[in-house]
Amino acid sequence: AQKVTQAQTEISVVEKEDVTLDCVYETRDTTYYLFWYKQPPSGELVFLIRRNSFDEQNEISGRYSWNFQKSTSSFNFTITASQVVDSAVYFCALSEARRGGSQGNLIFGKGTKLSVKP
Amino acid sequence: NAGVTQTPKFQVLKTGQSMTLQCAQDMNHEYMSWYRQDPGMGLRLIHYSVGAGITDQGEVPNGYNVSRSTTEDFPLRLLSAAPSQTSVYFCASSYSPRRGTEAFFGQGTRLTVV
Repeated sequence: AQKVTQAQTEISVVEKEDVTLDCVYETRDTTYYLFWYKQPPSGELVFLIRRNSFDEQNEISGRYSWNFQKSTSSFNFTITASQVVDSAVYFCALSEARRGGSQGNLIFGKGTKLSVKP
Repeated sequence: NAGVTQTPKFQVLKTGQSMTLQCAQDMNHEYMSWYRQDPGMGLRLIHYSVGAGITDQGEVPNGYNVSRSTTEDFPLRLLSAAPSQTSVYFCASSYSPRRGTEAFFGQGTRLTVV
């Protein structure tokens, strides 16, 4: 069965600290996709990144970086030099590509609330 | 570019009332879905549709109905509202989720059932 676990419910850091948000997933599919979404206090859901199961290359986008490791079924998200504007709930999500199954439905983790204090 | 539009943004219902949450997208996406977000629970899939005339149940479908008569619209109906349906509801669309395209979300509808 598919499952996404974000063990950290809440994290609080001081501005300029680095912070890593953990995401562990379970799937029996060999082709799948992993996502991170951000939900700022205003409530909308903002897409951050997508990774497919065949691409384990880490990605960096400005202060954001993602570490995908199939060996540990993890897709962790690091914010370097955090800022107050990074305060949000962050969701990790999984979708599978197999036919006749879930049609690619997103399975979300429960989210990690990040508070960055000035 | 409107993207995914949900209405209303806020709604208060009395127990037993019915209502329809509207969702429309202008990106010509075949796939649309409804999620509910509850504190500490993440987002859970209610219903989804892979195209006009095709709908299916997600993880938490009880108490909700959907239909998909056009590609653009995917309304969610609460037949007889219950306090347990107090939640924030999100509609989403995606071009090809089985190929891993990202989902675009509406702004959400905050529903309170009293």
